[in-house]
Amino acid sequence: NAGVTQTPKFRVLKTGQSMTLLCAQDMNHEYMYWYRQDPGMGLRLIHYSVGEGTTAKGEVPDGYNVSRLKKQNFLLGLESAAPSQTSVYFCASSYPGQIYEQYFGPGTRLTVT
Amino acid sequence: DQQVKQNSPSLSVQEGRISILNCDYTNSMFDYFLWYKKYPAEGPTFLISISSIKDKNEDGRFTVFLNKSAKHLSLHIVPSQPGDSAVYFCAASDTGSQGNLIFGKGTKLSVKP
Repeated sequence: NAGVTQTPKFRVLKTGQSMTLLCAQDMNHEYMYWYRQDPGMGLRLIHYSVGEGTTAKGEVPDGYNVSRLKKQNFLLGLESAAPSQTSVYFCASSYPGQIYEQYFGPGTRLTVT
Repeated sequence: DQQVKQNSPSLSVQEGRISILNCDYTNSMFDYFLWYKKYPAEGPTFLISISSIKDKNEDGRFTVFLNKSAKHLSLHIVPSQPGDSAVYFCAASDTGSQGNLIFGKGTKLSVKP
């Protein structure tokens, strides 16, 4: 099992550009999450999904959109990137019965110039 | 306003000794607490958790203690090993949050041989 994978690992964007981060999991988890981690900060929840076709806002959703068209994939989109979105993005997934014990991907380091 | 606080950014311990990492929370609705461990360039990995109905949970060298009246939890690692050197995040959640975790800023533990 690959677990949780994230694509790409690194990306540099110019202000105003758009991009999509892909998260894939092969553990048949129902729940999936997108977090961001800024330097010296803990992880903050952006959006999450409790099942295929569902999405919900987390703590810091502004400037991001998400889609969960397939159970194994969770996409995070930035429509118009801003320097404040420079961060490391982590995707995670979990079983419904163990929603707090989340499995994380290796992260995507995004820089917006 | 931080709901989960880890007031020590770093901790250095000698190999074989006990490591104690502390965490305070402010939201009395939190009823489930976790510790995650993170190595550089990797995603966090789940380490140990505790429900608010307990005051202690043990897993091998790792023990988490919860003091609900003080809104405080701690992670004890005994004995500490060089491989334990990592950033440790405390996280909290409440029932019905669908797995929304609130993370602290993390404590960097260095275990010296």
